[in-house]
Amino acid sequence: AQKVTQAQTEISVVEKEDVTLDCVYETRDTTYYLFWYKQPPSGELVFLIRRNSFDEQNEISGRYSWNFQKSTSSFNFTITASQVVDSAVYFCALISYSSASKIIFGSGTRLSIRP
Amino acid sequence: GAGVSQSPSNKVTEKGKDVELRCDPISGHTALYWYRQSLGQGLEFLIYFQGNSAPDKSGLPSDRFSAERTGGSVSTLTIQRTQQEDSAVYLCASSPGPGQNYGYTFGSGTRLTVV
Repeated sequence: AQKVTQAQTEISVVEKEDVTLDCVYETRDTTYYLFWYKQPPSGELVFLIRRNSFDEQNEISGRYSWNFQKSTSSFNFTITASQVVDSAVYFCALISYSSASKIIFGSGTRLSIRP
Repeated sequence: GAGVSQSPSNKVTEKGKDVELRCDPISGHTALYWYRQSLGQGLEFLIYFQGNSAPDKSGLPSDRFSAERTGGSVSTLTIQRTQQEDSAVYLCASSPGPGQNYGYTFGSGTRLTVV
């Protein structure tokens, strides 16, 4: 079975704080991809990152960074020096070899950045 | 087109009426997906098209839901005899091909309200 768990339903931090969004996944496949999407109030899902199961190298893109650890089946997302514009719902997602026709999404984490 | 286009952006309908939701994928994208997002919830897979055929329609919640795709392009999701529990945002996504090697681009969604 494929499953993505985002245990944090809502997070609220003050601007400029660092914040980490957790994601834990389950799959029996050895070949899979993990994603993070951002959904701002406008509603559109914005692609942030895709990482394949064979590449555990952490990635940094500006204020965003991702920590992929296969040993704990986690793919956590950190925003450094958060800004109000980062306020959104963030979804972690999985697509694996045996479910190649669909992305399995987590339930999302609503992030609020207070000025 | 440049992105995935969905219409209408908002639809209010009376309980019992039929509705049609339209998705125009990115030109050349052979894979098309429909998802449903209920208020405050994650994304629920509905159906996947590869070309004009639907290899995976396992997420359609009932026989009141149907979808088709013509010319390998535009897709229509039809909900018959709408119920209040059908109220949600219906999101469409397209991809250059099926499976895990490609990114998915989402449209802005159709917000359906059944009154």
